[in-house]
Amino acid sequence: GIQVEQSPPDLILQEGANSTLRCNFSDSVNNLQWFHQNPWGQLINLFYIPSGTKQNGRLSATTVATERYSLLYISSSQTTDSGVYFCAVEPTSGTYKYIFGTGTRLKVLA
Amino acid sequence: SQTIHQWPATLVQPVGSPLSLECTVEGTSNPNLYWYRQAAGRGLQLLFYSVGIGQISSEVPQNLSASRPQDRQFILSSKKLLLSDSGFYLCAWTSGTDNEQFFGPGTRLTVL
Repeated sequence: GIQVEQSPPDLILQEGANSTLRCNFSDSVNNLQWFHQNPWGQLINLFYIPSGTKQNGRLSATTVATERYSLLYISSSQTTDSGVYFCAVEPTSGTYKYIFGTGTRLKVLA
Repeated sequence: SQTIHQWPATLVQPVGSPLSLECTVEGTSNPNLYWYRQAAGRGLQLLFYSVGIGQISSEVPQNLSASRPQDRQFILSSKKLLLSDSGFYLCAWTSGTDNEQFFGPGTRLTVL
């Protein structure tokens, strides 16, 4: 089945710093989403981005489906950005099923 | 707008006891529904998904089962819990058109 790998696995930033999180996938996909899991476990939708670039405030994402990767950019990080970031892909070969990556655990220090 | 509910929020159960977790979606019809499990410090594992009433696909063989008795209701069950069933259980839905997935607040299950 499709493999979804995220890097880095862990990241510690000082407040105000920028970062780039990466999601690589091993096969073609119909859809891709980025989520933020807060310390209470809630999964918050960040981007629904099967291809192209989107921006929402300090966050932006780019998916290059032909090269099988997606990037999540966090600028001017805040302590509230701490948590785990997941990408999830819907493989072309497995309609309706999302496969999650291993996640990037981010800690932003004040 | 659409909302998704899960209950209970937390549950502590002895080994060998039964389990029933419920998920309901409001504000949409004929959603695709999903059950995931997340072990502590780990990623999400897809357990079951359903594209319609009575239609259940299982992704991981285990002692859990799922049912969809109504269009917007998804239930996760077990007849006898194991220690390894402990985890954070998340329900999700998609509209079936653009397939953007939305998650409920989750149920934290501890099996002792």
